Amino acid sequence: DAGITQSPRHKVTETGTPVTLRCHQTENHRYMYWYRQDPGHGLRLIHYSYGVKDTDKGEVSDGYSVSRSKTEDFLLTLESATSSQTSVYFCAIRPAGVYGYTFGSGTRLTVV
Amino acid sequence: AQTVTQSQPEMSVQEAETVTLSCTYDTSESDYYLFWYKQPPSRQMILVIRQEAYKQQNATENRFSVNFQKAAKSFSLKISDSQLGDAAMYFCAYSHTAQGGSEKLVFGKGTKLTVNP
Repeated sequence: DAGITQSPRHKVTETGTPVTLRCHQTENHRYMYWYRQDPGHGLRLIHYSYGVKDTDKGEVSDGYSVSRSKTEDFLLTLESATSSQTSVYFCAIRPAGVYGYTFGSGTRLTVV
Repeated sequence: AQTVTQSQPEMSVQEAETVTLSCTYDTSESDYYLFWYKQPPSRQMILVIRQEAYKQQNATENRFSVNFQKAAKSFSLKISDSQLGDAAMYFCAYSHTAQGGSEKLVFGKGTKLTVNP
């Protein structure tokens, strides 16, 4: 395994509730990313991190926040989930100076 | 902003035949990487092949090869001797190589490949 795990793998939640998805790596890579995948859109970047406590927005960041308090964990939070946030969420990691991205297995989130 | 376009939402190929998936991209950068990722029904994102823009030689990985045309900003994937296990969604992706942590992967919308026995 590539040393990246996402949890949970599946989640169903109600509209308006907060949700946190976790990405955990054992590779000590500097860069971590959160993407969402929707039919007809490919994968779109939500937020990314280039170090502990260093994060920036991607193209679809509205309604999402992230935190990275230690190298190995990158958390994605939906403060108040909406049905438009039903999606598959992928985490990816990359070491500094190397352009090879490794992806987690994804989290399927359904907001009802 | 960089964009990646895959103009073929779906493709099909007969087993053992060859198929080519198209990808074009738009960038003002001169130094970057291009990727093809495979996503089977398991949902896992699997790197198929990677091309560095500064290399003129086209990348190959076994039955997978690319045709990289930098001036035309084109990056097609050729799959030779197609196998049933090649059936998947294929994504073309781009990453520039700027300093400072702003590098990120930009994806096309994908091409669904069906392999017919």
